Amino acid sequence: DTGVSQNPRHKITKRGQNVTFRCDPISEHNRLYWYRQTLGQGPEFLTYFQNEAQLEKSRLLSDRFSAERPKGSFSTLEIQRTEQGDSAMYLCASSFGTSNEKLFFGSGTQLSVL
Amino acid sequence: RKEVEQDPGPFNVPEGATVAFNCTYSNSASQSFFWYRQDCRKEPKLLMSVYSSGNEDGRFTAQLNRASQYISLLIRDSKLSDSATYLCVVNTATSGTYKYIFGTGTRLKVLA
Repeated sequence: DTGVSQNPRHKITKRGQNVTFRCDPISEHNRLYWYRQTLGQGPEFLTYFQNEAQLEKSRLLSDRFSAERPKGSFSTLEIQRTEQGDSAMYLCASSFGTSNEKLFFGSGTQLSVL
Repeated sequence: RKEVEQDPGPFNVPEGATVAFNCTYSNSASQSFFWYRQDCRKEPKLLMSVYSSGNEDGRFTAQLNRASQYISLLIRDSKLSDSATYLCVVNTATSGTYKYIFGTGTRLKVLA
């Protein structure tokens, strides 16, 4: 399977714990995006990498959220001191080239904070 | 005001009906536009890109009106399998960055 891969598919954690998600984009894609989606809403932009550089981060993202993309390959999204409001689907997407290129999504990581 | 706005629906239509969705965007510098389809508890998947001259793919037709800053999607001869959420996506390129913003989605239910 050469699509976007996300792990884990599901994560249940207790409030206050740290969690980390991983995304492996399509290999030749230089751009990688993280989104968060809650029920009844569209995906909400979190952050964006071009190769290893994090070019933009949503103002909605608190300091508890951090993302990395070492060597411009896979990416990790960490949430520290999780809160119940962090419960959501976290989606990763990748693309390549110009602005006309479509996004390819992974299956997402469903986070439940108890 | 949200950057990309859609009527959340739901739109309940009988099989065979024609249904249209609209989407408005606020950033006049937006460069590319897409419609994505999302099934329940699944990831979004590209339905079609939207080109300035309008484009068609089978039963689906997309239109772009840059002057009024809206995008439309028309589905003809609706099938039960068209039931899903349709997401409008706008890409704005600024100083070499490419940001894709999604609308809230419009839910469609096609009834037998």
